[in-house]
Amino acid sequence: DSGVTQTPKHLITATGQRVTLRCSPRSGDLSVYWYQQSLDQGLQFLIQYYNGEERAKGNILERFSAQQFPDLHSELNLSSLELGDSALYFCASSGEGTDYGYTFGSGTRLTVV
Amino acid sequence: EDQVTQSPEALRLQEGESSSLNCSYTVSGLRGLFWYRQDPGKGPEFLFTLYSAGEEKEKERLKATLTKKESFLHITAPKPEDSATYLCAVNSNYQLIWGAGTKLIIKP
Repeated sequence: DSGVTQTPKHLITATGQRVTLRCSPRSGDLSVYWYQQSLDQGLQFLIQYYNGEERAKGNILERFSAQQFPDLHSELNLSSLELGDSALYFCASSGEGTDYGYTFGSGTRLTVV
Repeated sequence: EDQVTQSPEALRLQEGESSSLNCSYTVSGLRGLFWYRQDPGKGPEFLFTLYSAGEEKEKERLKATLTKKESFLHITAPKPEDSATYLCAVNSNYQLIWGAGTKLIIKP
């Protein structure tokens, strides 16, 4: 157990629907990062939050949004889902700065049918 | 532009056959280079952090080294359970820049 908890582990939904993925960071970590990984592809950075505030944005679609709550858990909302959104979505957390790297969760596998 | 390139994309070895994976980088203000291991369908697992040229770290059959332009992950006498994708990332301006990974397959 890495200390980063992601729920649900698996999600199957239809095109056009909206889903919410949840992440609880490792205790004490203030930063949360969201990544998308399509089949046999590299990690694509989506967005970073630090202590409730958005800090950095990557290649995140306008249909996707995220937030970090006062208790530091984060949610990634995906709407108007398309087949191409099927992927593994990882959450990672880190402490102050990134000098010690990130700790990843086990991911949510999203399948859009 | 900050960039991380890993080579080869894939590597097939026989059990016991030692080799090295490469991670070359061009970043402004390196604040650490990280190696991760990722098994299929799972989140990346942290292996090493290297901060300065000449630094080396070891863990079981793995040894990571760092120069000013690249890092190597040496694997000695690998076993089938070492099969995974190995990811390299550099910390530049408080963001991790990721390589595409090297898929390592160890055949018994």
